[in-house]
Amino acid sequence: EIVLTQSPGTLSLSPGERATLSCRASQSVSINDLAWYQQKPGQAPSLLIYAASVRATGIPDRFSGSGSGTDFTLTISRLEPEDFAVYYCQRYGDSSITFGQGTRLEIK
Amino acid sequence: QVHLVQSGADVKKPGSSVKVSCKASGGTFGSNAISWVRQAPGQRFEWLGGITPNFGSAKYAQTFQGRVTITADESTGTVYMELSSLKSEDTAVYYCAAHYSLAVANTWLVSWGQGTLVSVSS
Repeated sequence: EIVLTQSPGTLSLSPGERATLSCRASQSVSINDLAWYQQKPGQAPSLLIYAASVRATGIPDRFSGSGSGTDFTLTISRLEPEDFAVYYCQRYGDSSITFGQGTRLEIK
Repeated sequence: QVHLVQSGADVKKPGSSVKVSCKASGGTFGSNAISWVRQAPGQRFEWLGGITPNFGSAKYAQTFQGRVTITADESTGTVYMELSSLKSEDTAVYYCAAHYSLAVANTWLVSWGQGTLVSVSS
């Protein structure tokens, strides 16, 4: 099973700043098989990015995904107040799904 | 886009079973595979398995093989997840989620149900 490790565990930033979230896989992952989700308190996760870099419908362009192999990154270019939440990476494919442990993005 | 509505919270005794439902609307039932994922307190998300509703074919995570059963009722557009031999560690919020395509676990999750809290306690 491919294990995903996210860092940092918590990221404290101010609105307007740039956020960089990391997701490292224990084995190489196809760029087609990596997604990012946002989860706000008391809500289900919602899809942000799939295939490592493709924004889901309706996702603002301040969100971008990049990476390949074992290292993937979610970048939020200019933080808005509504972006403070928990972010998860997910690997799908080979008939199994695994998630990272999450990065909590909090207001500084 | 498919909209998923799950059944309400449930409390179970250790050793018993729980069955959670997930009703789909706003799309063509069977156009998307449906998976079940859980989030236990302080733990990462775990995938339990999924189903291609049209064909009724289910796939399960190895961790839950033999303990989870996922079924679909085309007549009502509902997918069910039953977990047996419950333990306190199964206390979690259980989510159903629709895949982009018919391939269980091989595409991203485009929409999620609201979650169902299952508490296991004696």
